[in-house]
Amino acid sequence: QLVESGGDLVQPGESLRLSCAATGFTFNFHWMTWVRQAPGRGLEWVATLNQDGSERYYVDSVKGRFTISRDNAQNSLYLHMNSLTAEDTAVYYCGRNGGSIDSWGQGTLVTVSS
Amino acid sequence: DIQMTQSPSSLSASVGDRVTITCRASQGINTALGWYQQRPGKAPKRLIHDAFHLQSGVPSRFSGSGSGTEFTLTISSLQPEDFATYYCLQHVTYPWTFGQGTEVES
Repeated sequence: QLVESGGDLVQPGESLRLSCAATGFTFNFHWMTWVRQAPGRGLEWVATLNQDGSERYYVDSVKGRFTISRDNAQNSLYLHMNSLTAEDTAVYYCGRNGGSIDSWGQGTLVTVSS
Repeated sequence: DIQMTQSPSSLSASVGDRVTITCRASQGINTALGWYQQRPGKAPKRLIHDAFHLQSGVPSRFSGSGSGTEFTLTISSLQPEDFATYYCLQHVTYPWTFGQGTEVES
């Protein structure tokens, strides 16, 4: 099971950290991913991280602003988001990689608005 | 970046209908494609992995086919719980990219 938290209403330019708590599987065996969905829009892949945190991949629109990380001792995945803009408003899902994403959390809503 | 073009963007169907959704990749992705179902207000759920492998627990009325650049998701006999939006996802290379989605409505 994956449970996201940390979503909030923030102002443009502010920062936020999302968390994803993993249970029921061996967390450090899996690559992990964040995907987002803006209101009324489709799914957008955001970032992926390998098992030990040494390989990170990002969509161009968040490079330099977002950082994906993990704490295998805590079975947790994170997304550190800086310099947020209105275009970052979305539900953010964490996912477990099994090839593509084979398991998803329920999502956490991030709203960026003044 | 690999573009995934999904069609149609929406379709109207009835219970019992056969439904087909297509994804075209802008370059070859072998079989690195998943299909997802998303009901309103819910997280996506994987139906098919690696182009044609049925995800465990998913009804056998769902099937996937294709390789390279052309992929198809078929629902052999639409059920009431299948009215939802469907997405394809390529994972052969980063950035991973989703199709735009197909809304199946009554």
